[in-house]
Amino acid sequence: AQSVAQPEDQVNVAEGNPLTVKCTYSVSGNPYLFWYVQYPNRGLQFLLKYITGDNLVKGSYGFEAEFNKSQTSFHLKKPSALVSDSALYFCAVRDRGSTLGRLYFGRGTQLTVWP
Amino acid sequence: DTGVSQDPRHKITKRGQNVTFRCDPISEHNRLYWYRQTLGQGPEFLTYFQNEAQLEKSRLLSDRFSAERPKGSFSTLEIQRTEQGDSAMYLCAGLAGNGELFFGEGSRLTVL
Repeated sequence: AQSVAQPEDQVNVAEGNPLTVKCTYSVSGNPYLFWYVQYPNRGLQFLLKYITGDNLVKGSYGFEAEFNKSQTSFHLKKPSALVSDSALYFCAVRDRGSTLGRLYFGRGTQLTVWP
Repeated sequence: DTGVSQDPRHKITKRGQNVTFRCDPISEHNRLYWYRQTLGQGPEFLTYFQNEAQLEKSRLLSDRFSAERPKGSFSTLEIQRTEQGDSAMYLCAGLAGNGELFFGEGSRLTVL
């Protein structure tokens, strides 16, 4: 069975500081991993994905994520947070061996960046 | 803009009424997914189509829910005899060839 855990409901950081949003996953096979961001009353926007290759993945808006197979983690990071990064962030996983293509999402982490 | 459009964006209805949501993906999205998102939760899978064929349905999709994708283009999600527990954001997504899901803006349902 596939599942995603985002252990923090909220993350608060000051503008200019580095941020980390945590994600761990469980999947029966090898994973595809994703991060999405959601602004109020909007749909989800794709940020980045890990398919294969380099464990450090770079995405939109200066975000990056590191795939750690031994810890089954895929934490989202940014070196210097902006107030405009404040939003709801979702980690998602898909079993590489699945032909269905559906994603399993975590519950989300609300990121607040203080000016 | 992901190119996936949903209509209506917000629907308020009384308990017991039927509602229908529409999703228009871009033409390259041969796979189309419906998800439901309630407050404080991540999106939960409801159903998915490969072209016009509905290939999987979640057990969340009770018999009051029906989804169609005639001709493999737009899709509709109908909820009959709505209940207050159906209040949620209904998200549609198309699957691109590189494995990314492109979501629409969602249709928010409020059942009074």
